[in-house]
Amino acid sequence: KQEVTQIPAALSVPEGENLVLNCSFTDSAIYNLQWFRQDPGKGLTSLLLIQSSQREQTSGRLNASLDKSSGRSTLYIAASQPGDSATYLCAVEGVWDNAGNMLTFGGGTRLMVKP
Amino acid sequence: GAVVSQHPSRVICKSGTSVKIECRSLDFQATTMFWYRQFPKQSLMLMATSNEGSKATYEQGVEKDKFLINHASLTLSTLTVTSAHPEDSSFYICSAGRDRGDYTQYFGPGTRLTVL
Repeated sequence: KQEVTQIPAALSVPEGENLVLNCSFTDSAIYNLQWFRQDPGKGLTSLLLIQSSQREQTSGRLNASLDKSSGRSTLYIAASQPGDSATYLCAVEGVWDNAGNMLTFGGGTRLMVKP
Repeated sequence: GAVVSQHPSRVICKSGTSVKIECRSLDFQATTMFWYRQFPKQSLMLMATSNEGSKATYEQGVEKDKFLINHASLTLSTLTVTSAHPEDSSFYICSAGRDRGDYTQYFGPGTRLTVL
């Protein structure tokens, strides 16, 4: 059974810092890995999707890497801003019942960027 | 930990039929639930926010008459795909959050819809 772990569970940094969020998964047989942002009381917003054949994806100040063999992904946020404060979730898509795909989510990292 | 269930886990139907998917929070009450959809090789995308006792809030580009959402109780939200067509074939997943300011979302296992 796939398990996804995110470290740290919470992070507080001053504005302007570069930071790294970590995601690890136990089963490397995945189709892709996704990073999401969640604001309080809101649904998930998709940030980056990395296919299993890719090693990284970039969008603006965000860079996500994937090392499938070691079961790890990192989300790098450059020059953090107070508006980046949110919970960040990673999810891996694997094989499910030989008929479809299943998403397994990590527990999330709650980020606070202080002005 | 909190548990969210979805039913059915997989459904195959003919084009033109309507399909109802249930999302239940088993051991907590959820004022708000979220419905997502994921097409192959694409990101999971938010479809709508389901609010108990009131109308759902749909994301831009999601047809509210096509995807009917009913959040009749604090533990149950349903998504009905009306007159389903092959392009509606997708993976649908819901999530629910506890109240009391806990913003953690608990995800259901998902429903795989295939429309022939």
